[in-house]
Amino acid sequence: EAGVTQFPSHSVIEKGQTVTLRCDPISGHDNLYWYRRVMGKEIKFLLHFVKESKQDESGMPNNRFLAERTGGTYSTLKVQPAELEDSGVYFCASSQRGGLTDTQYFGPGTRLTVL
Amino acid sequence: DAKTTQPPSMDCAEGRAANLPCNHSTISGNEYVYWYRQIHSQGPQYIIHGLKNNETNEMASLIITEDRKSSTLILPHATLRDTAVYYCIVRGSQGNLIFGKGTKLSVKP
Repeated sequence: EAGVTQFPSHSVIEKGQTVTLRCDPISGHDNLYWYRRVMGKEIKFLLHFVKESKQDESGMPNNRFLAERTGGTYSTLKVQPAELEDSGVYFCASSQRGGLTDTQYFGPGTRLTVL
Repeated sequence: DAKTTQPPSMDCAEGRAANLPCNHSTISGNEYVYWYRQIHSQGPQYIIHGLKNNETNEMASLIITEDRKSSTLILPHATLRDTAVYYCIVRGSQGNLIFGKGTKLSVKP
């Protein structure tokens, strides 16, 4: 069974540009989460999809970030326009049912560098 | 949700058991203890979770004290590949995971 995959693995862009990150969850997993770690900080939650609906987007830092999950399969996270402080590693995770005992499985992450 | 306290770093000799402690004194009755680890710059990897009973799987054992205010993750025979940052997370009503700074475990030959 394939795990969570993320694309690209690395992205280097200039300040003001747009970048779109993609996450493919484990097949059959309704729940999809985005997290990120910016330089020197802890891993922080961004948002949570249940199928195509946003269940919780309390961690989204500002309106430059837009996440979508059309059709309830893969998800994209767009940053527009990118700022220097957006540099970091963006992780995606998926889980089957949600809830306290539902294990989240993480992808390898996308390393974003904004110059 | 309850916060956790972990030592910032620990060393362990290869082949020996690694015992990683975690304090969660404000844990509530329905909150689970989860452990993840992050090896170098990879994505966090699930290890184990438990509510109040001790748990064991192919990777590790989780020992939770009777009052549930602390727990210990045990890697029975640590290898060099177990060198990683280990996160103890108390998971309550929210769906997301709240990561702290974790414990950086260094397994030495």
